[in-house]
Amino acid sequence: EAGVAQSPRYKIIEKRQSVAFWCNPISGHATLYWYQQILGQGPKLLIQFQNNGVVDDSQLPKDRFSAERLKGVDSTLKIQPAKLEDSAVYLCASSFLSGGSYEQYFGPGTRLTVT
Amino acid sequence: AQTVTQSQPEMSVQEAETVTLSCTYDTSESDYYLFWYKQPPSRQMILVIRQEAYKQQNATENRFSVNFQKAAKSFSLKISDSQLGDAAMYFCAYRSAFGEAGGTSYGKLTFGQGTILTVHP
Repeated sequence: EAGVAQSPRYKIIEKRQSVAFWCNPISGHATLYWYQQILGQGPKLLIQFQNNGVVDDSQLPKDRFSAERLKGVDSTLKIQPAKLEDSAVYLCASSFLSGGSYEQYFGPGTRLTVT
Repeated sequence: AQTVTQSQPEMSVQEAETVTLSCTYDTSESDYYLFWYKQPPSRQMILVIRQEAYKQQNATENRFSVNFQKAAKSFSLKISDSQLGDAAMYFCAYRSAFGEAGGTSYGKLTFGQGTILTVHP
């Protein structure tokens, strides 16, 4: 079974530029998560999708971050304009359903550096 | 809101010996899940072990076991017979048990700050 795919693996941009990350979850997984992991910290949830609907985006900086999940499968996370403090690893995870005993499977992450 | 605290930024162990990583959490919920994840330099987050709060028996997965103290809100990970491949960042995480039936924060994982484990040959 293929795992969660993410691209790109690395991205370097200058502040005020825009960037987009892509995630392809495990086939059949209804729930998709985007986490932000700042160096030396644990991941923090940015947004959670159930199929193509948002169920939790309370920690998403909506003035600069946006995310969508097309047709309930792939997802894109965008930052525009980027700030220095956005430098982090962006992890995508998916699970069959949310909560309960369903395990979240993580992708390899995208390391973003904002200069 | 739930919080997870890992008070050991770094730990080290000799190969073949045993090491224990500590984790405490705070919650007002009675039913929840606790996890230990391993994150090697490749950044891939890997589930090590899971504990369901309503189960009194401590979870065990091969060389990995937990000491779950619900009243003390403590959840430590013991790694026996440590191997070089165990070297990684370890995260403790919390998740509410309220899934599809309700709750506003179901599904998401709340992570601690992590503990870097070094294994010496």
